[in-house]
Amino acid sequence: NAGVTQTPKFQVLKTGQSMTLQCAQDMNHNSMYWYRQDPGMGLRLIYYSASEGTTDKGEVPNGYNVSRLNKREFSLRLESAAPSQTSVYFCASSEAETGAGNTIYFGEGSWLTVV
Amino acid sequence: AQKVTQAQTEISVVEKEDVTLDCVYETRDTTYYLFWYKQPPSGELVFLIRRNSFDEQNEISGRYSWNFQKSTSSFNFTITASQVVDSAVYFCALSEAWGSARQLTFGSGTQLTVLP
Repeated sequence: NAGVTQTPKFQVLKTGQSMTLQCAQDMNHNSMYWYRQDPGMGLRLIYYSASEGTTDKGEVPNGYNVSRLNKREFSLRLESAAPSQTSVYFCASSEAETGAGNTIYFGEGSWLTVV
Repeated sequence: AQKVTQAQTEISVVEKEDVTLDCVYETRDTTYYLFWYKQPPSGELVFLIRRNSFDEQNEISGRYSWNFQKSTSSFNFTITASQVVDSAVYFCALSEAWGSARQLTFGSGTQLTVLP
């Protein structure tokens, strides 16, 4: 049971570099999400995709872009990394974006350090 | 605006003790969902339970139990006979608007350490 798989697990970037975090889910879920986790702040939503073909901003979207490539895959791109983007990033998915099917399942996290 | 408060930043217990993790929430909605997640040292987030606002029955799953009380806006989590493997950060979360995931709000987490 792979569930939600994200890569890479660890990455060190220099300020100004770009990179893409990849995420795929095999649960046939409609909705996918990217969160970041910072110490003492819980998880905060960066972007989400309620269904294939749609994306929308979450609480902290600045400095990021996303692509819902197909139903399975949802990538997060940092165009010009900044030290403030040092964080743990979680991809997640749920059957539906609202209602009874919205239990959100998370990937294992990607530790990103920007120096 | 919705808010989740986990006042216990860190808890330390000795193995086999019972421990309760507190979660207090604020919401204006009458329909909402509450969640608990576990984050072990390996880092992944593991879903434990989802509860909707219309279901106030307590739930028990093995050594885990949850006490949902709307009157006090609390959704507390108890681990009975704790084990070292229970050591993790536990997050409580709230989702308003028929459980809209884009409005999922997490508490800041409680670090539980179970000592052998």
